[in-house]
Amino acid sequence: DVKVTQSSRYLVKRTGEKVFLECVQDMDHENMFWYRQDPGLGLRLIYFSYDVKMKEKGDIPEGYSVSREKKERFSLILESASTNQTSMYLCASSFSGGVYEQFFGPGTRLTVL
Amino acid sequence: ELKVEQNPLFLSMQEGKNYTIYCNYSTTSDRLYWYRQDPGKSLESLFVLLSNGAVKQEGRLMASLDTKARLSTLHITAAVHDLSATYFCAVDISGGSNYKLTFGKGTLLTVNP
Repeated sequence: DVKVTQSSRYLVKRTGEKVFLECVQDMDHENMFWYRQDPGLGLRLIYFSYDVKMKEKGDIPEGYSVSREKKERFSLILESASTNQTSMYLCASSFSGGVYEQFFGPGTRLTVL
Repeated sequence: ELKVEQNPLFLSMQEGKNYTIYCNYSTTSDRLYWYRQDPGKSLESLFVLLSNGAVKQEGRLMASLDTKARLSTLHITAAVHDLSATYFCAVDISGGSNYKLTFGKGTLLTVNP
């Protein structure tokens, strides 16, 4: 079974803090994704990566950065957390081989106070 | 820009009844994915539909794809309470190197006794 894990299920941070969310997958997937999910807004793509050290902006990259130094690990960084970044963050991964089914991690519920 | 529309967005149904969720998309694609999300949890892959006329069934759920109409349906037969969840469809652009999925906004299904 594909396994995607995220470093924390719940996280509480203060405004202005630097926040790291980590995602690890164990299926040798090339592609990895970070989404945020808010009520009424559905899933919104923040960043994705199709290879080590490669990244592309999604629909809402402002206020976020990412890092992919190893194939299995994709990190989302909030340089200076703000209250409007309080959300559920979902990581996903997929193969590049023609069927792009994404497998999701359990999610991190981040609260910024 | 690929748009994916689901309807209805909210569905309240009685146990034992049948209903269909619709997923329309705006651009040619022959790959469509259905996901389920339980409250407070992450997304779980339900079905992957890879060609025109594809039909997949699991338990009381059956998904189908009509690429000419750009339409997928998720049919629920004799609903039970355990099916209460949010259901998302997602589409990728066939043949592209863009690995992203575009998600619908989700259908919140509530099955009442």
